Amino acid sequence: EVQLLESGGGLVQPGGSLRLSCAASGFTFSGYAMNWVRQAPGKGLEWVSTITNGGGGGRYFADSVKGRFTISRDNSKNTLYLQMNSLRAEDTAMYYCAKARGGPFSSWFFDYWGQGTLVTVSS
Amino acid sequence: QSVLTQPPSVSGAPGQRVTISCTGSSSNIGAGSDVHWYQQLPGTAPKLLIYANTDRPSGVPDRFSGSKSGTSASLAVTGLQADDEAHYYCQSYDSSLSVWVFGGGTQLTVL
Repeated sequence: EVQLLESGGGLVQPGGSLRLSCAASGFTFSGYAMNWVRQAPGKGLEWVSTITNGGGGGRYFADSVKGRFTISRDNSKNTLYLQMNSLRAEDTAMYYCAKARGGPFSSWFFDYWGQGTLVTVSS
Repeated sequence: QSVLTQPPSVSGAPGQRVTISCTGSSSNIGAGSDVHWYQQLPGTAPKLLIYANTDRPSGVPDRFSGSKSGTSASLAVTGLQADDEAHYYCQSYDSSLSVWVFGGGTQLTVL
């Protein structure tokens, strides 16, 4: 059974940093691209970042987080990370880890999701 | 403003059929990018409902179906049930922006 378990959320002041983790099990982690998707309170889903499964680990970011967030993975630990720096109030959201499936980018979808970890940016 | 446009809400009585539209553009759905649908029950994580425009993951009832034409896609739900009340999101890839995009979401209410 595929399981994704996020951790690391919490309350942080504006300008602060936080690192989210996503522990994966039930599938060959190294074989799949992984993603972060967030949802602000009462709002819709927003794709945040993707890291591919290739040796180079291609990384992609939404414009709203580019230059502030970094994504990484440790295939030996089956874990995905999101390092969030220079946090703003508008980054307040539930952050979901999601496994990707599909061939070319134009066909990618998110077939499994974690339960999310809540990040609150407030003074 | 989402790249993919969905109606904020739809409703129907138990047993009825409802459809949820997802309108994109020539840089996403119209460019041939696949459309996928997710169901988010209250207080839970999203769940994959339809992928690659029309395919259902195992375990998803055949009351849920997807279609795609031109720059739009639709999700149809037949035989509405009370536990279908949820938010539904479409998702695709925008080749001009080089990002994965979601619709704004549609709240389905079973009357």
